[in-house]
Amino acid sequence: DAGVIQSPRHEVTEMGQEVTLRCKPISGHNSLFWYRQTMMRGLELLIYFNNNVPIDDSGMPEDRFSAKMPNASFSTLKIQPSEPRDSAVYFCASSNIQTDGGEQFFGPGTRLTVL
Amino acid sequence: TQLLEQSPQFLSIQEGENLTVYCNSSSVFSSLQWYRQEPGEGPVLLVTVVTGGEVKKLKRLTFQFGDARKDSSLHITAAQPGDTGLYLCAGRYTGTASKLTFGTGTRLQVTL
Repeated sequence: DAGVIQSPRHEVTEMGQEVTLRCKPISGHNSLFWYRQTMMRGLELLIYFNNNVPIDDSGMPEDRFSAKMPNASFSTLKIQPSEPRDSAVYFCASSNIQTDGGEQFFGPGTRLTVL
Repeated sequence: TQLLEQSPQFLSIQEGENLTVYCNSSSVFSSLQWYRQEPGEGPVLLVTVVTGGEVKKLKRLTFQFGDARKDSSLHITAAQPGDTGLYLCAGRYTGTASKLTFGTGTRLQVTL
């Protein structure tokens, strides 16, 4: 079975541009998480969904960040406009707490560089 | 805000040495997980502990959950270069269901 799929793997953009990160969770998982990882702040939860519904977006830095999950097999994280301080590795993870005991399965991440 | 502190932040040791990594919180966990992350990849689950005082072993790795469920430790015996990576504890607090709070991380390097 395919794991969590993220695209693109790398993104280099200029300040002010819109960035869209994509995630396909593992089939059958009902929770999806977006994280950001930096050396300074570690792994931070941005937002998570249960059954496609946003449950907790308290980690979203500001209004420039938005996330959607239109169906059980796809989610996007959008940054508009992007800023250099948004440079980080963004991970998507999925889980099914009923069947996997809460294990989160992570994608390979998207490395974002904003110039 | 719930904080999960890990110590040490960095650890560089030689093959064959033993080491212990600590994870501490001021709040009680309903469960705690340990993940390992290798460069260019996402974290991968090593173990989940649920009961206070619980000890789990995974080959050379021993995980312990504190009696009060506020802390945990990971002990590696006879470290090998393949153990190199970032070790993350992640706690689930009562009432937060799916949500995990990750620790600050311990970066381990094991050299020959």
